[in-house]
Amino acid sequence: GAGVSQSPSNKVTEKGKDVELRCDPISGHTALYWYRQSLGQGLEFLIYFQGNSAPDKSGLPSDRFSAERTGGSVSTLTIQRTQQEDSAVYLCASSQLAGVSFFGPGTRLTVL
Amino acid sequence: TQLLEQSPQFLSIQEGENLTVYCNSSSVFSSLQWYRQEPGEGPVLLVTVVTGGEVKKLKRLTFQFGDARKDSSLHITAAQPGDTGLYLCAGDWAGNNRKLIWGLGTSLAVNP
Repeated sequence: GAGVSQSPSNKVTEKGKDVELRCDPISGHTALYWYRQSLGQGLEFLIYFQGNSAPDKSGLPSDRFSAERTGGSVSTLTIQRTQQEDSAVYLCASSQLAGVSFFGPGTRLTVL
Repeated sequence: TQLLEQSPQFLSIQEGENLTVYCNSSSVFSSLQWYRQEPGEGPVLLVTVVTGGEVKKLKRLTFQFGDARKDSSLHITAAQPGDTGLYLCAGDWAGNNRKLIWGLGTSLAVNP
């Protein structure tokens, strides 16, 4: 597709369950970002992938959060043992190196 | 901690009115970006300002970067209902578009 796509668009889960969120970046974009957007909190940087370099994981809030990017394209953000405070919209963005970021529509995660 | 403060947080106006929203920081940024986000979508880049004192116009939207590159404003002339959305500013202090510092946004409603 022409833009960044994310799936699922909505995810409702029970506290303690694991979830996987997927991001398909724009073809050819070497950089991929994950952000979390909560009401009243703004966009919070989570993790950054650039080509084959080691990812910048400095924004991950706890070791329950992890992400991988396979083949320099699709990325999966995994949250283990979800907590209610993990409820948020998770946004993925991709860009050319140091270029403008294009965002996906996000995945709205609700932890009951 | 680098922070970007946006004001006002909420704004509700009538179609045809003018408005200005602000993005302020005590930090110097190499560039600053303005985004608009609509419900259920990711942020979409409107403009990037780079040079202190720079003014950029996008149809009825005028963006200004402060001389000291610490603040910015967005002025909308003759607002339309289609301008409704969340306006976000994001500052790049490292000069590489990584780990942008995000404001909380101004939620604008333009009533017909």
